Amino acid sequence: GAGVSQSPRYKVAKRGQDVALRCDPISGHVSLFWYQQALGQGPEFLTYFQNEAQLDKSGLPSDRFFAERPEGSVSTLKIQRTQQEDSAVYLCASRSTGAGELFFGEGSRLTVL
Amino acid sequence: AQSVTQLDSHVSVSEGTPVLLRCNYSSSYSPSLFWYVQHPNKGLQLLLKYTSAATLVKGINGFEAEFKKSETSFHLTKPSAHMSDAAEYFCVVSDTWSGNTPLVFGKGTRLSVIA
Repeated sequence: GAGVSQSPRYKVAKRGQDVALRCDPISGHVSLFWYQQALGQGPEFLTYFQNEAQLDKSGLPSDRFFAERPEGSVSTLKIQRTQQEDSAVYLCASRSTGAGELFFGEGSRLTVL
Repeated sequence: AQSVTQLDSHVSVSEGTPVLLRCNYSSSYSPSLFWYVQHPNKGLQLLLKYTSAATLVKGINGFEAEFKKSETSFHLTKPSAHMSDAAEYFCVVSDTWSGNTPLVFGKGTRLSVIA
C-alpha cells in the first residue's frame, strides 16, 4: 500500500476485555516496530519484528501484551484483560531494510473504561 | 543507554518569526539523531536526520538542525514560522541508523504559531 495502515483507528474497551490492533506495513518492508504513546508523552518502544521473527520484545509492559507477525507482513498487537493504564495510542512503523527511514501509521487510539 | 531531553514542553512564536526547539541527547555511541513532527490525528513524519555526515542537517519545510557533539545538542530551527508549522515535535536518538535498535523519543515540544 501507499503507507502504513492501522486498524481500528479508535477502540473503546471495557476493563478486562481483550483487544486486537492490526498493522499493515508498507508492502515489502522487512522491519516492523510497535510503539505506545500515552497522552502528552513521546512514543515508547514495545517490540520489533524482522520478517516473521520477533527479535526484541523488551518494551512490552506485561505478559498481557502479545504481538505476532506470522507471515512477515501484517502484524497484530493483542492486549488481554485490558486495564485503564493501557489507554494510549499504539503506533506501528515499518522500513524496507535494516537501515533507512521509519514510516509510521496514524495509530490506533485505545480507551479503556 | 541513550536518551533525549527536550528542554521545552511548549513553545509559542508569532508567524514569520524564528523557531528554536531545543534538544539534548545522551548516547554511549556515535548516535543517529532525528526530528519527527506529529500533526493532530496524523502519523509521525520525519523532518530530518543526522547520521554522522554533515553536522548541519537540512530537512523538509525549511527546518534545519545542527549536531554539536561538545554540547550534546541537536536543536531544531526555522528562520520564519508558518501557521502550518503548529504541531508536536519529537527529538529522537538511536545508537545506530540501521538494525533493530529502537528509536528513543523525547517527550515532545508543542509548537504554537500565533497569527
